[in-house]
Amino acid sequence: QITLKESGPILVKPTQTLMLTCTFSGFSLNTGGVGVGWIRQPPGKALEWLALVYWDDDKRYSPSLRSRLTITKDTSKNQVVLTMTNMDPVDTATYYCARAYDSGWRFDYWGQGTLVTVSS
Amino acid sequence: SYELTQPPSVSVSPGQTASITCSGDELGNKYVSWYQQKPGQSPVVVVYQDNRRPSEIPERFSGSTFGNTATLTISGTQAVDEADYYCQAWDSSTAWVFGGGTELTVL
Repeated sequence: QITLKESGPILVKPTQTLMLTCTFSGFSLNTGGVGVGWIRQPPGKALEWLALVYWDDDKRYSPSLRSRLTITKDTSKNQVVLTMTNMDPVDTATYYCARAYDSGWRFDYWGQGTLVTVSS
Repeated sequence: SYELTQPPSVSVSPGQTASITCSGDELGNKYVSWYQQKPGQSPVVVVYQDNRRPSEIPERFSGSTFGNTATLTISGTQAVDEADYYCQAWDSSTAWVFGGGTELTVL
């Protein structure tokens, strides 16, 4: 059974750095053709892909947010961490982590999401 | 940056066929997936690699891509299919991009 779960602060202040952790089970990020990514969704708005780390530690970032994002993996802990700098109220959103699989590179398993509010 | 365009809303009567489109430059050269999201829930992939369906997804869901437009088709639409639907494209250069989403109403 594959599961993913996001954890991190529910409230951050403007200009602070957000750190979110995705803890997963049921698969390994050492397995070829697998990646773990982050997607966010502001309240009432569309999904937005942020970043992804592949099994071979290759990393991809959304062009519009690249300068603010860092994604890392810890295969021994089955965790993927996303950091986003200089948070702003417009970054208020539900943040999801999801597994991507090399068959169309779709996101086939998703976490429940965590709502992060940016406010002073 | 690469963009995908979806209609904001689509309405369909129960038992009829719903079609949701997604357009983007050279979309036919990318892998397209479709996700269903119900209120308060995480997205679920219903079609991937343009026209493949996960085993747990009903056969009434199908996808196709021609030129710059991908289409999600729901045959014999049921009330339970009412949800937001998002297309997503992938290729090695643009990576992952989501469309703006389409709200499907079954009435």
